[in-house]
Amino acid sequence: SQTIHQWPATLVQPVGSPLSLECTVEGTSNPNLYWYRQAAGRGLQLLFYSVGIGQISSEVPQNLSASRPQDRQFILSSKKLLLSDSGFYLCAWRRFLNTGELFFGEGSRLTVL
Amino acid sequence: AQKITQTQPGMFVQEKEAVTLDCTYDTSDPSYGLFWYKQPSSGEMIFLIYQGSYDQQNATEGRYSLNFQKARKSANLVISASQLGDSAMYFCAMSSSISGGYQKVTFGTGTKLQVIP
Repeated sequence: SQTIHQWPATLVQPVGSPLSLECTVEGTSNPNLYWYRQAAGRGLQLLFYSVGIGQISSEVPQNLSASRPQDRQFILSSKKLLLSDSGFYLCAWRRFLNTGELFFGEGSRLTVL
Repeated sequence: AQKITQTQPGMFVQEKEAVTLDCTYDTSDPSYGLFWYKQPSSGEMIFLIYQGSYDQQNATEGRYSLNFQKARKSANLVISASQLGDSAMYFCAMSSSISGGYQKVTFGTGTKLQVIP
């Protein structure tokens, strides 16, 4: 069966510090991968999605970046965090070229102080 | 560009009653999928139901049904016999194909449902 893991679960970082959130999928190959951000009490904002290694599509050009160094690994990064980067970050995967559901990770709650 | 609109920020429903959560969408892609997810206060995203744009019948999953009206571009979620555990945020989402095989999935802003005993 397929599983998705995301870490860390909780993170408190000062403004200007770097960020790295990691997501891995097991039990499938060549998945589509997604990063979403959810501000407190708000909807999900699509940040990045990827259909293959090194193929990243950015939806929101900010101080965030994403990388896919391996088929089932998706990393969200920032060199210098802003207060507005606080939120709940969700990684998700989906079968390649499939129109079905997204499978979500447990989420990472980031607080920037 | 694709867009999902949920116009009800919050709703109340009496326990055991049915409730409809609204969702409208906009896309120029002839092939797309529509989803509903539930997010309890714990934050996890729980998949509820899926409807493909070419599906002839409305999707149903237990107490959940999706009222798909293609001409109106609406995909409302109907929850029958509401339970206290249904209190949560509900998100409508849409996926469509973009040239090159990219599959973007966009979510609405959500509706907070509260079930009253």
